[in-house]
Amino acid sequence: AQKITQTQPGMFVQEKEAVTLDCTYDTSDQSYGLFWYKQPSSGEMIFLIYQGSYDEQNATEGRYSLNFQKARKSANLVISASQLGDSAMYFCAMRDLDSGYALNFGKGTSLLVTP
Amino acid sequence: EADIYQTPRYLVIGTGKKITLECSQTMGHDKMYWYQQDPGMELHLIHYSYGVNSTEKGDLSSESTVSRIRTEHFPLTLESARPSHTSQYLCASSGRQGTDTQYFGPGTRLTVL
Repeated sequence: AQKITQTQPGMFVQEKEAVTLDCTYDTSDQSYGLFWYKQPSSGEMIFLIYQGSYDEQNATEGRYSLNFQKARKSANLVISASQLGDSAMYFCAMRDLDSGYALNFGKGTSLLVTP
Repeated sequence: EADIYQTPRYLVIGTGKKITLECSQTMGHDKMYWYQQDPGMELHLIHYSYGVNSTEKGDLSSESTVSRIRTEHFPLTLESARPSHTSQYLCASSGRQGTDTQYFGPGTRLTVL
């Protein structure tokens, strides 16, 4: 069985600073995929970044990067140059091969960006 | 931007009513999913589909049912709504490859009185 753990219920960061949101996972699969999603107060889930277990490079998408440490089973999201619009819930998720590639989600981290 | 739609966005309904939450996608995706999310909590899978005429139950026990008669359409039905069904329901879809990103609709916030 898979498990996604996000240990930071809430985080604060000042505008223009970088912030790291933690995610650890547990799986017995050799091949797996990790995702990060952003959920603003409006409720929609916005895809941010994807990392495959066999990808040699850490994924990057604009201001988002993923610090993937396979041996430690961690996939932390780094947001550089935070903006006020980054305030939201952030969810780490893993693809579940046994459920049609559905996503198993962590409990999320609430990020607040302050001026 | 993903083309996946959900209606209604908000629904307040009395106990015992039958309701159908609509989900449509125009991306031709084979796989579709329904998740349930209580406020401030993680998402839980309630149903998924590999394609037309395929439906499976997810990890979270649910009294809802789904159908997949057309590729683009994946409605969720509650035969008799109860206050315990009050939650947000999110529909998602992804392509054929396992690495394909899963895209979400805007969600339906359901309140059962």
